[in-house]
Amino acid sequence: QVQLVESGGGLVKPGGSLRLSCAASGFTFSDYYMSWIRQAPGKGLEWVSYISSSGSTIYYADSVKGRFTISRDNAKNSLYLQMNSLRAEDTAVYYCARGCKNVDAFDIWGQGTMVTVSS
Amino acid sequence: SYVLTQPPSVSVAPGQTARITCGGNNIGSKSVHWYQQKPGQAPVLVVYDDSDRPSGIPERFSGSNSGNTATLTISRVEAGDEADYYCQVWDSSSDHYYVFGTGTKVTVL
Repeated sequence: QVQLVESGGGLVKPGGSLRLSCAASGFTFSDYYMSWIRQAPGKGLEWVSYISSSGSTIYYADSVKGRFTISRDNAKNSLYLQMNSLRAEDTAVYYCARGCKNVDAFDIWGQGTMVTVSS
Repeated sequence: SYVLTQPPSVSVAPGQTARITCGGNNIGSKSVHWYQQKPGQAPVLVVYDDSDRPSGIPERFSGSNSGNTATLTISRVEAGDEADYYCQVWDSSSDHYYVFGTGTKVTVL
């Protein structure tokens, strides 16, 4: 079945780095744009980053620009988020999500991976 | 940046109709999408492009969008509809290209 599975979350100190991964299965990964979306504890959803199906177009939220890097490996059906210079306000559950074809929405979400930035 | 405002909470009795609003400047000119999120779970897309439903979503979920307000309507509310609901649009002029609403907690009485 269509599935996204995130991994790589954990506890990291302020200023540290972490790399999240998202493994896709059950669909042709290279046909879809993807995004990372996060949710701080008890808060709402915040879009973080977007990557086109080929990887040629990338966008970031201003809150993470210059610190986070999104990438994908279509041969491995995988999406990544390299997070550097982490701050306490980056603490959240990070979801990877599949973009709908021809629609600016997300139809498949992973279960999320928790990132905690604390000393 | 573009802001989407939702009421923090909506309460509804089983079998009645719940309406969740999403306010934004001239939101009627944009395509609005809605997500349902139950505690401890990932969001689920329930309405896209203002009023279309993904496969598997009950007809009880419907949407509309005009002027400065989009609305998600849940008819014949069931206990299982209790969740947080978020609206979302694309806005290329925003600091967040994909903008989510503030979220609404729907409580089934």
